Amino acid sequence: QVQLVESGGGVVQPGRSLGLSCAASGFIFSNHAIHWVRQAPGKGLEWVAVVSYDGSSKYYADSVKGRFTLSRDNSKNTVFLQMNSLRPEDTAVYYCASWGCSGTSCYAVEYWGQGTPVTVSS
Amino acid sequence: QTVVTQEPSFSVSPGGTVTLTCGLSSGSVSTTYYPNWYQQTPGQAPRTLIYSTNTRSSGVPDRFSGSILGNKAALTITGAQADDESDYYCVLYMGSGIWVFGEGTKLTVL
Repeated sequence: QVQLVESGGGVVQPGRSLGLSCAASGFIFSNHAIHWVRQAPGKGLEWVAVVSYDGSSKYYADSVKGRFTLSRDNSKNTVFLQMNSLRPEDTAVYYCASWGCSGTSCYAVEYWGQGTPVTVSS
Repeated sequence: QTVVTQEPSFSVSPGGTVTLTCGLSSGSVSTTYYPNWYQQTPGQAPRTLIYSTNTRSSGVPDRFSGSILGNKAALTITGAQADDESDYYCVLYMGSGIWVFGEGTKLTVL
């Protein structure tokens, strides 16, 4: 069964740091890019960042560039999102998801995890 | 900065057909934007319906289809059912590793 499980969310003060994890199972993790997507309360989805299948490429939305850092450990089927210098506007539920293309073949994991909530507040 | 546009809301009758679109504030959407479509019901995580323009996720009924219509990506739902009432989001690949979501369409079935 394909599964993505996020963890690590919580309440943190502005300017502090927090690390999120995304653990995957049920598919060949080392072949898949992993994205982070967030959703602020009552708002739509916002793409945050993506790490390539092997961790060699990472891309970030302008809103988090320079503050958030992605890494992955394919031996543990896990992706990590390190969030520094957090701001109140980073408050959201953070989801990990997998989609992408390898050559001419594209893929997407149908079901996302339930997300992990992050609240940035003093 | 280019904005991904979606209809804020749409209404369809049970059994009817509806087409939701995903466009750009500047320019046309093509297959090279690899549009994906997601369904989200309140309080739930999103679910991938369509990826890479028109590939349906394995558990998604064939009532859902994706395409390029004119200068936009499109999600068509045929034979709408009550439990299709959800928020629908598209995401587009903007190049250089960057993806951008649309603001979503709230679909009402009544």
